[in-house]
Amino acid sequence: GEDVEQSLFLSVREGDSSVINCTYTDSSSTYLYWYKQEPGAGLQLLTYIFSNMDMKQDQRLTVLLNKKDKHLSLRIADTQTGDSAIYFCAPNTGGFKTIFGAGTRLFVKA
Amino acid sequence: GAVVSQHPSWVICKSGTSVKIECRSLDFQATTMFWYRQFPKQSLMLMATSNEGSKATYEQGVEKDKFLINHASLTLSTLTVTSAHPEDSSFYICSARRGGSDTGELFFGEGSRLTVL
Repeated sequence: GEDVEQSLFLSVREGDSSVINCTYTDSSSTYLYWYKQEPGAGLQLLTYIFSNMDMKQDQRLTVLLNKKDKHLSLRIADTQTGDSAIYFCAPNTGGFKTIFGAGTRLFVKA
Repeated sequence: GAVVSQHPSWVICKSGTSVKIECRSLDFQATTMFWYRQFPKQSLMLMATSNEGSKATYEQGVEKDKFLINHASLTLSTLTVTSAHPEDSSFYICSARRGGSDTGELFFGEGSRLTVL
């Protein structure tokens, strides 16, 4: 079945850039999402990229997609303590199924 | 933006009782809603897909008689955990897809934390 892999932890200093990586197996993914989850809360959509794009920038967020390698990354520039959360990579496999990675827990040190 | 609300946000119950969790799309019609379970420090596990007016589709390994799902209207889906036991304690999250959405974006509820004593 479809699989999504992410590293579990990332620790950065405030002001540095954070890069969260994700690999997936389903080549039919049309939209690939990044969601953020703060402690004890639901998920909020951060950004997404369409599969025919290789980069999307949205303020401090940059998403890079390497469709050939099935690799997706999320870069957060000037990381702040408020960015500490779990980030989920979630390719939409088409139809109605969105598959979630295990989530990367981002720690931001002041 | 689209808002999805879950209720209750937390519930504590005795073993053997049933608990109902509601998921509402407040400002859009959700033709499809999803129910997930999340254990501490783990990802979301899709439990079932709920389509308005039809039976839910359950993922492998999820007991449909244990986790009853009803999607009676375009804005409301409910998950009932029947005869709850301590191992059912978890964080349950719903999400909804807006009808006609071309991006497939999911809107998530805030989650409901169930503790079974």
